[in-house]
Amino acid sequence: QVQLQESGPGLVKPSQTLSLACTVSGGSMSSGSYYWSWIRQPAGKGLEWIGYIYTSGSTNYNPSLKSRVTISVDTSKNQFSLRLSSVTAADTAVYYCARSGVAYCSGGSCHSGAPDIWGQGTMVTVSS
Amino acid sequence: DIQMTQSPSSLSASVGDRVTITCRASQGIRNDLGWYQQKPGKAPKRLIYAASSLQSGVPSRFSGRGSGTEFTLTISSLQPEDFATYYCLQHDSYPWTFGQGTKVQIK
Repeated sequence: QVQLQESGPGLVKPSQTLSLACTVSGGSMSSGSYYWSWIRQPAGKGLEWIGYIYTSGSTNYNPSLKSRVTISVDTSKNQFSLRLSSVTAADTAVYYCARSGVAYCSGGSCHSGAPDIWGQGTMVTVSS
Repeated sequence: DIQMTQSPSSLSASVGDRVTITCRASQGIRNDLGWYQQKPGKAPKRLIYAASSLQSGVPSRFSGRGSGTEFTLTISSLQPEDFATYYCLQHDSYPWTFGQGTKVQIK
């Protein structure tokens, strides 16, 4: 049973870089084709997709955050990571990592399904 | 961005009631839609994928329908453990976008 677990600092100062890791257990990130996403949720609000990294290493980011986001993978640690630079109070949220499988492939490209496995989430507060 | 308009934003219902939640997409998204249940302090849990496929282990009282721009999640007979917030997610076009959520409360 694959499980995901987020980790990282719970407090980040404004203008600094938020760094989180998601450790995958119960299976290897290298086996199979998956999309590894980050999603966040400010307290009492809705969900926002940040972006994903595909098994191939390709990434896709939300344009609203693209200039500040980097998602990377470290298969030796069975982890993928999120870096969000120049943070402000608006980045305060619970951050979730999640996994999606391939829904279908067409014309040489594959399309993600909706994320099925989620981490428990980690709260990150941006404050001085 | 594709806007997902979810309605109602909240509802009050009794155990045993039939409940329907709707998500409308601002443009066609085929059947690239999932439904999630979220309880306070917990991660979202996928109930439905590909608009109408029931996630393994999810009770059959949950069902999803729709394609294109209009989608529904129905709970055929509301149970005490179903009181939660429900979200739809479109993953057809980037960026992926969620509905604003529907909070299902006890009447």
